[in-house]
Amino acid sequence: EDQVTQSPEALRLQEGESSSLNCSYTVSGLRGLFWYRQDPGKGPEFLFTLYSAGEEKEKERLKATLTKKESFLHITAPKPEDSATYLCAVRDSGTYKYIFGTGTRLKVLA
Amino acid sequence: DAGVIQSPRHEVTEMGQEVTLRCKPISGHDYLFWYRQTMMRGLELLIYFNNNVPIDDSGMPEDRFSAKMPNASFSTLKIQPSEPRDSAVYFCASSWGGGGDTQYFGPGTRLTVL
Repeated sequence: EDQVTQSPEALRLQEGESSSLNCSYTVSGLRGLFWYRQDPGKGPEFLFTLYSAGEEKEKERLKATLTKKESFLHITAPKPEDSATYLCAVRDSGTYKYIFGTGTRLKVLA
Repeated sequence: DAGVIQSPRHEVTEMGQEVTLRCKPISGHDYLFWYRQTMMRGLELLIYFNNNVPIDDSGMPEDRFSAKMPNASFSTLKIQPSEPRDSAVYFCASSWGGGGDTQYFGPGTRLTVL
């Protein structure tokens, strides 16, 4: 059964303190791994798609990487506006079903 | 583009009542997804459509839940009768199968069943 586990559940950082969020997954055939950002009271907002081990994507202070078993979302020198819940999801190659993790709640303090 | 549109944004109802949630996907998108989000279980896929046809409804929790997509620009998720445990935020998302896998989410409907 496809499964996604994110850690930690919550993370508090000081502004400028870099860190990484983890997404471990189990899927029979990976079609893609997705990172989303969700602000309170809003729908998830797409950040990145990764398709194969070794792939990396960057956007501003965020960098996503992928291995055969997990993905990391690295946050470099975060700012308070990076505070949000970050969701990871996978899609199995045989379906259009997306399996989401329960997310990491990030709080960046000024 | 206005993005995915959902209505209502908030719904408060009493147990046993019928609830209908509505979604307008992004024009040109051929996939539509309904999700439910709770603190305990996170974001769960309920059902998805391709070209207005339901493809996988294995996530629909019970027969009380039903979803339709009468045309490419409109979908509904109905709960009848509603129960307090149905209280959650319901999201609609759409994507274009020929343009990668990016799902675009609506703002959600927060449902409270008393």
